[in-house]
Amino acid sequence: DAKTTQPTSMDCAEGRAANLPCNHSTISGNEYVYWYRQIHSQGPQYIIHGLKNNETNEMASLIITEDRKSSTLILPHATLRDTAVYYCIVRVVNQGGKLIFGQGTELSVKP
Amino acid sequence: GAGVSQSPSNKVTEKGKDVELRCDPISGHTALYWYRQSLGQGLEFLIYFQGNSAPDKSGLPSDRFSAERTGGSVSTLTIQRTQQEDSAVYLCASSLAPTAAIYEQYFGPGTRLTVT
Repeated sequence: DAKTTQPTSMDCAEGRAANLPCNHSTISGNEYVYWYRQIHSQGPQYIIHGLKNNETNEMASLIITEDRKSSTLILPHATLRDTAVYYCIVRVVNQGGKLIFGQGTELSVKP
Repeated sequence: GAGVSQSPSNKVTEKGKDVELRCDPISGHTALYWYRQSLGQGLEFLIYFQGNSAPDKSGLPSDRFSAERTGGSVSTLTIQRTQQEDSAVYLCASSLAPTAAIYEQYFGPGTRLTVT
């Protein structure tokens, strides 16, 4: 699976959009981009995934660049409860589906 | 509906003892995964089940670790002769189908294992 690079930490003001970047320059054509988050002392939670088109759901939006070498997770109106570690993962289909977690970005939403 | 459940939530054991950790996946989920998260470390994959078979055991750190799944449902992770470095949060996840990218994994709350 391709390696991802994320900033170690980020701050965001409550109510503002949080934009979390991820680089995956060696991504292959059959690899999806997944985002999970882990709130302190809880198991990881799926947020969103995409292949090459931008995606939006009730939690977030995912913007993938045209060359697919990077992506951005957008939380449109961050709340204090969005404080968590956010993991960007690229995953090959048809290989068992195990997730390879990096260090992630620790997002702190501040009042 | 019910999510992934794990038991016990906390386990303290003495070095050298065996422990069993249990995972109840979401009903109907054929794929089941075990991960662990050590203090200050990231999440690392341990083993994956498709039904009752384990096609990927590549993450098990030593032969003291084993896991089984019965009836395509409940799974047990066993650690024999526990060591202090086994202290971690052990997380279980399940998904509908491991080979379909659209099926995300749902994680349980984890079992916090402390080896004294």
